[in-house]
Formats: sequence, structure tokens, C-alpha cells
Amino acid sequence: EDKVVQSPLSLVVHEGDTVTLNCSYEVTNFRSLLWYKQEKKAPTFLFMLTSSGIEKKSGRLSSILDKKELFSILNITATQTGDSAVYLCAVLNAGKSTFGDGTTLTVKP
Amino acid sequence: NAGVTQTPKFRILKIGQSMTLQCAQDMNHNYMYWYRQDPGMGLKLIYYSVGAGITDKGEVPNGYNVSRSTTEDFPLRLELAAPSQTSVYFCASRNWAGSSYEQYFGPGTRLTVT
Repeated sequence: EDKVVQSPLSLVVHEGDTVTLNCSYEVTNFRSLLWYKQEKKAPTFLFMLTSSGIEKKSGRLSSILDKKELFSILNITATQTGDSAVYLCAVLNAGKSTFGDGTTLTVKP
Repeated sequence: NAGVTQTPKFRILKIGQSMTLQCAQDMNHNYMYWYRQDPGMGLKLIYYSVGAGITDKGEVPNGYNVSRSTTEDFPLRLELAAPSQTSVYFCASRNWAGSSYEQYFGPGTRLTVT
């Protein structure tokens, strides 16, 4: 059975801190790993990772995949209150997708 | 280009009632998905479809049915609603291959069964 585990489950930081969110997986026929941000509505897409070792960046967010060790990390630098959300990791195999339970990030002013 | 649309936005059902959650996309995507999200949890895959006429079960299909007669529409049917089906339901779609596996999500349907 495909499995995606995210850690930590929740995290509270102050503005300006740097955070690292983790996602480990066991999936047959891996195609891609995706990160989403969810703020009390539908998830919004952040990154898609298919190759090991290639960092994806978007502003203060970055992510990298390790296909040998079967995990990915999402880094957020200089956090802002607007980064408060649930961050979801999902892994796609041939047709299906499996989501982790998410990391709830709270950024305090 | 409306993307992925879902109706209704909210619904309250009595135990044992049935209903259909509607999902439509106008991006000509082959893949479509139905998820449910319980409070504090991630998304659980109910059913998915890789094209018109083809559907398959996800992690939590019991109590649900789907059909995919056209590329655009992917309705989810709840028969004999139970309190355990109280959840937020998201529909999503994506293209079949190429450079992106990004799933595009609808706004969700909040369902309460009492």
C-alpha cells in the first residue's frame, strides 16, 4: 500500500525564522512528488519534483527530492504570517495520488 | 476558462439519503480525481479516472460511486449517506503526461450527514 508521511505534524515559529518540512514516501511506480499549500480552502500548487537532487525555488520557498532515500524537504526562509497554512505533500504513481496528512505551520508576528 | 467547478458548495443530508456531487473541468484534462478531507487530515483518494469511460477505486471508495461519460464531467454519487461521510470533498483534474503532473482543484463541497 502506498504511504506518505509528513513531519512534523505542526510547527509554531516567529516571523523571520526558517523552517524545514519533511515528507517521506513508499510508493510503487513513482512518477512525481508535489507540494501544496492549503489555507482553509482548496490546495494550491507549489512545486513538482521528479528528479533527485535538483532544487526547485520560488521566492523564499525551495524544495528538493531524494529518490534514493525516498524523501523530500520543503524549506521556507524568512517566514511571514502569510505563510501560515497546512503544507501537503503528495506522491503520484501511474494514475493514483497519495497525500500525507500535512504539516500545519503557524507563523507568529 | 473556469478551471474545475464543483456544485453544490454546501449540503446537509439526512442519514440514508442519496445525492450526487457534481464536478466539471474545461481544460480538456484526461485525469480526474475525487478526494475527501476530514478535519486535520490530508486528502484521501475516493475514485479517479484516466479518461472517459474509465474509472478506478482509490483508498476509500466504499459508499461512493462514480461515472465518467464525458471528458469534462466526473460526478460522485453517495448512496445511503452515513455520518462517517461528513467531510469536505474536492475534485481535481490534471493532464495525462507532459511536463507537469500538477492537479488543479475545485473549490470543494462541504457535506454534513446528520
